[in-house]
Amino acid sequence: AQKITQTQPGMFVQEKEAVTLDCTYDTSDPSYGLFWYKQPSSGEMIFLIYQGSYDQQNATEGRYSLNFQKARKSANLVISASQLGDSAMYFCAMRETSQGAQKLVFGQGTRLTINP
Amino acid sequence: EAGVVQSPRYKIIEKKQPVAFWCNPISGHNTLYWYRQNLGQGPELLIRYENEEAVDDSQLPKDRFSAERLKGVDSTLKIQPAELGDSAVYLCASSLVGRNEQYFGPGTRLTVT
Repeated sequence: AQKITQTQPGMFVQEKEAVTLDCTYDTSDPSYGLFWYKQPSSGEMIFLIYQGSYDQQNATEGRYSLNFQKARKSANLVISASQLGDSAMYFCAMRETSQGAQKLVFGQGTRLTINP
Repeated sequence: EAGVVQSPRYKIIEKKQPVAFWCNPISGHNTLYWYRQNLGQGPELLIRYENEEAVDDSQLPKDRFSAERLKGVDSTLKIQPAELGDSAVYLCASSLVGRNEQYFGPGTRLTVT
């Protein structure tokens, strides 16, 4: 079963607009964590933002915010005032505990293209 | 502070040949991960180390893949023999115990012909 679902294979946004990247997850663990990573064409995965399942507030990091809706099991990434440098692949990931060990499970990714 | 270092960045080999990838994690990070990322997909965990101990290798194809982390710092991932389906990007990541975020290296892009 898919643990992390990113339904948007590609997104095209005009520069300076806000963009929302969708992510839904599936877990039965009461304690889990949700992450967003950016992967530019250079290949490196860049950590953007983290949300814990027990966090009361939505996480924010600069222009990034995470719209966490626990009942709907969604953890959408919002990028405000998009910039050309935001063009990249974006991956949603969930930390799950398996056989006592924690690991990240990634979604398929969304390719974001910012148009000038 | 230096990030996660991986080498080589690119490797092209013929099938049935051996190949090895090297990773140097961020200084002080005692948890190290190897991931494989197939084209158009997210990374998948192969193995996770806590210091020099492999604590999760359930996804590592042990018939042809092996890994080691001597002295709990650098790590090497080996494939022998390589198959066409092993073509992918191999990513190394590291983190501090108790911290949520993992920091990734640039990856090694392997092409098996």
